[in-house]
Amino acid sequence: EAEVAQSPRYKITEKSQAVAFWCDPISGHATLYWYRQILGQGPELLVQFQDESVVDDSQLPKDRFSAERLKGVDSTLKIQPAELGDSAMYLCASSAQETQYFGPGTRLLVL
Amino acid sequence: QQQVKQSPQSLIVQKGGISIINCAYENTAFDYFPWYQQFPGKGPALLIAIRPDVSEKKEGRFTISFNKSAKQFSLHIMDSQPGDSATYFCAASIGTSGSRLTFGEGTQLTVNP
Repeated sequence: EAEVAQSPRYKITEKSQAVAFWCDPISGHATLYWYRQILGQGPELLVQFQDESVVDDSQLPKDRFSAERLKGVDSTLKIQPAELGDSAMYLCASSAQETQYFGPGTRLLVL
Repeated sequence: QQQVKQSPQSLIVQKGGISIINCAYENTAFDYFPWYQQFPGKGPALLIAIRPDVSEKKEGRFTISFNKSAKQFSLHIMDSQPGDSATYFCAASIGTSGSRLTFGEGTQLTVNP
């Protein structure tokens, strides 16, 4: 069964450092999402891509976060500089129709 | 603005019992309501979903009940098993494919053997 791949699974960094997360969606899925899940809460959308285009980044803190999906396949989410409040699980999801399939996530701890 | 409210925050049931989790939404434009199951250290996985043109959908031991006039929907897990112990999230979105999901706060379910 095809799955969404994410790496790394865990990341520890110090505040003010840069971090990057990678996502490889299910093959053929045109829509890719990055969500942030704070411990004890539901995921919240950061950015959504349709192929290589951003269709929704209204909740992305653009002063420090950036995302790209250059060839419309895999995607990278970057944080620079990281802040203590960025500690969370970063989830990638992809969809071909209405069902969103989530990857295992990257757990980020900012010290 | 919290558009999907979920309760209870935590739930403990005995093996074989019925688990019931409730959600209420505010935005009447929502027309797709999935439930996700999440185990520790894993990403959410789709459990079951419903659209507002039906009042109930059943898949195995899992049933969604939907009340459009009350803007509420619930998940019922029949014959709950210890393996069902996980965090459950309701969600909602607008339109068909490619729409953002708005999640509830989650319910941590524990099924005691």
